Amino acid sequence: DVKVTQSSRYLVKRTGEKVFLECVQDMDHENMFWYRQDPGLGLRLIYFSYDVKMKEKGDIPEGYSVSREKKERFSLILESASTNQTSMYLCASSLLTGNNSPLHFGNGTRLTVT
Amino acid sequence: QQPVQSPQAVILREGEDAVINCSSSKALYSVHWYRQKHGEAPVFLMILLKGGEQKGHEKISASFNEKKQQSSLYLTASQLSYSGTYFCGSSGNTPLVFGKGTRLSVIA
Repeated sequence: DVKVTQSSRYLVKRTGEKVFLECVQDMDHENMFWYRQDPGLGLRLIYFSYDVKMKEKGDIPEGYSVSREKKERFSLILESASTNQTSMYLCASSLLTGNNSPLHFGNGTRLTVT
Repeated sequence: QQPVQSPQAVILREGEDAVINCSSSKALYSVHWYRQKHGEAPVFLMILLKGGEQKGHEKISASFNEKKQQSSLYLTASQLSYSGTYFCGSSGNTPLVFGKGTRLSVIA
C-alpha cells in the first residue's frame, strides 16, 4: 500500500512565523500535490509537482511556496503565516503524470495560526 | 473551475439508495470519486476515463457522460459504513479540481 506521511497532525503557529509542512511518500510516485481543505469549500489545490525540482502553481498559491529536492519529499512553506491560512492541509501523490491514476492522500495537518 | 456537486448533503436510512451528481462547465477528460470519513484522509473510490464509462465497486457505481460534462455516483442499499463526504474531482489537462463535496449520513 502507498503511504503518504505528513510530519505533523496538528500545528499551532503565530502570525508572521515561517511554517514548514512536510510530506513524504514511499512508492516512488512522480507527482505530488498540496491541497487545503476548508468547510464548505472542498479541496483547493495550492501547488503541485510532476518531477523533482519542478513546481507549478495551483489555484490558490498566494502566500505559499514549495520545495521538492527529492522525489519522495514535497514541502509546503508558509513564508509569513497569517490567520487566514488556518486550515487543514492535505498532501497527495500519484503514480502517473496526467490524471489517469488515483491520488493517495496523507492524513492531513491541521494548522492553526493565532 | 470547481465542478458542482449536488446535493450538498443527504441523510439515508440503511438500505436506501442515493445518487450524487457532479457537473463541470469545462470539458472533462476524466472524473475521480473519493470518500472522506470524519477525521480521515480522502480515499480513492474510482476513476472514469472515457465518456459513457460506468464502473462499480461493491454497491457503489458511477457513470460518466462526457457530452453532458457530468458524472453520477450511485450508492445502492446503503450501509452505515458509507457515511462520509464524497468528492468528485474533474480534470481537463490540468491537475484535479475537486467539488465542494456531498455529506452523506446513513442512519440505522
